[in-house]
Amino acid sequence: DAGVTQSPTHLIKTRGQHVTLRCSPISGHKSVSWYQQVLGQGPQFIFQYYEKEERGRGNFPDRFSARQFPNYSSELNVNALLLGDSALYLCASSLAWRQGALGLNTEAFFGQGTRLTVV
Amino acid sequence: GESVGLHLPTLSVQEGDNSIINCAYSNSASDYFIWYKQESGKGPQFIIDIRSNMDKRQGQRVTVLLNKTVKHLSLQIAATQPGDSAVYFCAENNEAAGNKLTFGGGTRVLVKP
Repeated sequence: DAGVTQSPTHLIKTRGQHVTLRCSPISGHKSVSWYQQVLGQGPQFIFQYYEKEERGRGNFPDRFSARQFPNYSSELNVNALLLGDSALYLCASSLAWRQGALGLNTEAFFGQGTRLTVV
Repeated sequence: GESVGLHLPTLSVQEGDNSIINCAYSNSASDYFIWYKQESGKGPQFIIDIRSNMDKRQGQRVTVLLNKTVKHLSLQIAATQPGDSAVYFCAENNEAAGNKLTFGGGTRVLVKP
């Protein structure tokens, strides 16, 4: 049974370029969330999508955007890359739209992440 | 794999001893808490969760304690093994936040043989 898969695993981009990161959730999971993890820190929430609709947005600039497709896979797009965007980008999938919803196994399962380096 | 956290607080523990990792949270509205383990080069892995109507929950070799009065969470690992070496994060959630998890800063656990 496949877990959350992310592609690519590593990526090097130049300042000012844009990047698209991809995520395939666990089969049956309808919620996908994106997190940015800078080295030495905990993950920071960027977006949540549930049933193809944006359900939450973190404190990130408009250069960050995302979408969810009918098969529940998701893309994270970052425009006009800055050096500070270098980080591990994590995708998490879960059954329900809310963590810890009573009566459901709603824990979030994370992928291995995409390591983005901006030079 | 690449190191997850180079400047995190570190807990060194002898193999076989018990480990206690602490976490303070700030949002009194948080009602769901999770501990994650992150090994180098990997995404966070779920360990155990607890809801705010509980003060203790046990899993296999792990126990989570929640003290809502002082907004404190702890993870106890019994008989720590070399495979427990990793960075551990606590995360909190509340109903208004939907699926958003707010993560703490993390603690690196090093198990000495």
